[in-house]
Amino acid sequence: QKEVEQNSGPLSVPEGAIASLNCTYSDRGSQSFFWYRQYSGKSPELIMSIYSNGDKEDGRFTAQLNKASQYVSLLIRDSQPSDSATYLCAVMGRDDKIIFGKGTRLHILP
Amino acid sequence: DTEVTQTPKHLVMGMTNKKSLKCEQHMGHRAMYWYKQKAKKPPELMFVYSYEKLSINESVPSRFSPECPNSSLLNLHLHALQPEDSALYLCASSQEGGGKTYNEQFFGPGTRLTVL
Repeated sequence: QKEVEQNSGPLSVPEGAIASLNCTYSDRGSQSFFWYRQYSGKSPELIMSIYSNGDKEDGRFTAQLNKASQYVSLLIRDSQPSDSATYLCAVMGRDDKIIFGKGTRLHILP
Repeated sequence: DTEVTQTPKHLVMGMTNKKSLKCEQHMGHRAMYWYKQKAKKPPELMFVYSYEKLSINESVPSRFSPECPNSSLLNLHLHALQPEDSALYLCASSQEGGGKTYNEQFFGPGTRLTVL
């Protein structure tokens, strides 16, 4: 059974600080890794994708991948109240199936 | 333009009704997906179409019937649903099917379905 694990939170972070979201996965054959942001009542929005070990930066977001440790993380710098949402870690193997984690609720404190 | 559209936004139906959900993308993507999402849960994959052919059916009950008329359109036909089928139904698309790497999936806004 392929699994993706995330801390459900809520994770409370002061405005302007760095939010750190973590995810582990069980399938060593996984090839593609994604972070989706989902506001309450809305659909998931892709914010980062990463495919090779190391860091990938896009604006205030940095995704980190360590395949040896089967670990993916998302850092959000200069957190804003608009970053308050549920963040879904998603992992894809050699098929078309994305396995989602249960999501981490992030709350940015003004 | 990474846009997937879905209609209707909201749907209320009785258990004896027949209705359809529609999804459209104009990004030239060749894979399209249906997901079901219950409150406070992650999306659950239902069906995958790759190059207009059904490639994955995640053991979905036959009261849900997918259809892919062409590479831009995806329908989900609903018949004799149960109240527990009430959920947000999400459509997604990606550039390629067949388990290719770099295969980002982009979601539509969803259809909020209520079965009475």
